[in-house]
Amino acid sequence: DAKTTQPPSMDCAEGRAANLPCNHSTISGNEYVYWYRQIHSQGPQYIIHGLKNNETNEMASLIITEDRKSSTLILPHATLRDTAVYYCIAKNNNAGNMLTFGGGTRLMVKP
Amino acid sequence: NAGVTQTPKFQVLKTGQSMTLQCAQDMNHEYMSWYRQDPGMGLRLIHYSVGAGITDQGEVPNGYNVSRSTTEDFPLRLLSAAPSQTSVYFCASSYEGAWFFGPGTRLTVL
Repeated sequence: DAKTTQPPSMDCAEGRAANLPCNHSTISGNEYVYWYRQIHSQGPQYIIHGLKNNETNEMASLIITEDRKSSTLILPHATLRDTAVYYCIAKNNNAGNMLTFGGGTRLMVKP
Repeated sequence: NAGVTQTPKFQVLKTGQSMTLQCAQDMNHEYMSWYRQDPGMGLRLIHYSVGAGITDQGEVPNGYNVSRSTTEDFPLRLLSAAPSQTSVYFCASSYEGAWFFGPGTRLTVL
């Protein structure tokens, strides 16, 4: 898996967009970018993944740069319940390739 | 679908005791895995399985055994519990690269 780098922490005002960056400069062509989050004491939750096109689902949007060396997870209207640790993981789309969790970004959504 | 279920939610053991953490999924996923998460730390892979009858070791396998006799179940056995195994244990299953996690078992070894 390619190494990913994320800021250790970020704050966001409730109702505003939360933009979480991730650098993955050594990502290979067959590696996807996955985002998970872990709300305090719960199991990690899958959010979204993408290869090179931008992706959107009911939870978030994923913007991947054209050179694929970085990406941004966007929570369009952050709520207090979005306070969590967010993990960016680069891996190929083979379920046999297990997840490796780094430190992630601790997002604090404030009222 | 119930998703990934884990039992028990909480467990306290004495050093040297053995026990089995249960994990089941009803999504017919071929891939399953076990992670542990120590307080304030990230998740570390213990064991994983790519299908019934096939298991392999992860990053921290010592002191744990697994088996996968059915697609649905992937139990984790602690052979002789030690205080260093105090942790939260998460089971997960996967479909097309996305992993889905259970709620965790919080284990304390005294």
